[in-house]
Amino acid sequence: GENVEQHPSTLSVQEGDSAVIKCTYSDSASNYFPWYKQELGKRPQLIIDIRSNVGEKKDQRIAVTLNKTAKHFSLHITETQPEDSAVYFCAATLNSGGYQKVTFGTGTKLQVIP
Amino acid sequence: EAQVTQNPRYLITVTGKKLTVTCSQNMNHEYMSWYRQDPGLGLRQIYYSMNVEVTDKGDVPEGYKVSRKEKRNFPLILESPSPNQTSLYFCASSKGHLNTEAFFGQGTRLTVV
Repeated sequence: GENVEQHPSTLSVQEGDSAVIKCTYSDSASNYFPWYKQELGKRPQLIIDIRSNVGEKKDQRIAVTLNKTAKHFSLHITETQPEDSAVYFCAATLNSGGYQKVTFGTGTKLQVIP
Repeated sequence: EAQVTQNPRYLITVTGKKLTVTCSQNMNHEYMSWYRQDPGLGLRQIYYSMNVEVTDKGDVPEGYKVSRKEKRNFPLILESPSPNQTSLYFCASSKGHLNTEAFFGQGTRLTVV
């Protein structure tokens, strides 16, 4: 089955700096890669996603890049703000039997220091 | 409002006492799943359902049961809970057969003593 590794497990940055979180996946058939943000005590919520036919996607201060050959994808947050502090999960999605199988990374706790 | 609703939010129970965590979604999604979240381990899938009466094991199904008698509901059943099932549980739903986002419930914090 699919295996997703996520690094780092914790990340502290100064407000205004950039943050990068990296994930690798094992199954080359995975074709959808969402990123979820989980604020303290809350549910995970989608912040950005990328499909395998795209190399990069941007939404204001966040961007995701995908390297299919190397089987890794990354989340980039620029001009970080205290409200970016949260746990971030990457995921790789495999279509199996017409339905999607989602495998999550182990999460990155991002702390933005004011 | 589109949402996934879990109940209860918090539950403390004793070893061996059967319990059910309910999950309901109002988005007409085919695909529903249950995850447990443990420190350092991320979100691990317990069971998933592709549609009514269609369920299958995820990565950590031992000690859990599910049922999908109606499209909107997907309860998680612990027949004989044990302390190693103490965790934060999330139900999620999505359109399933498309590459679409998962919508999560609010979570259920379960403690088994």
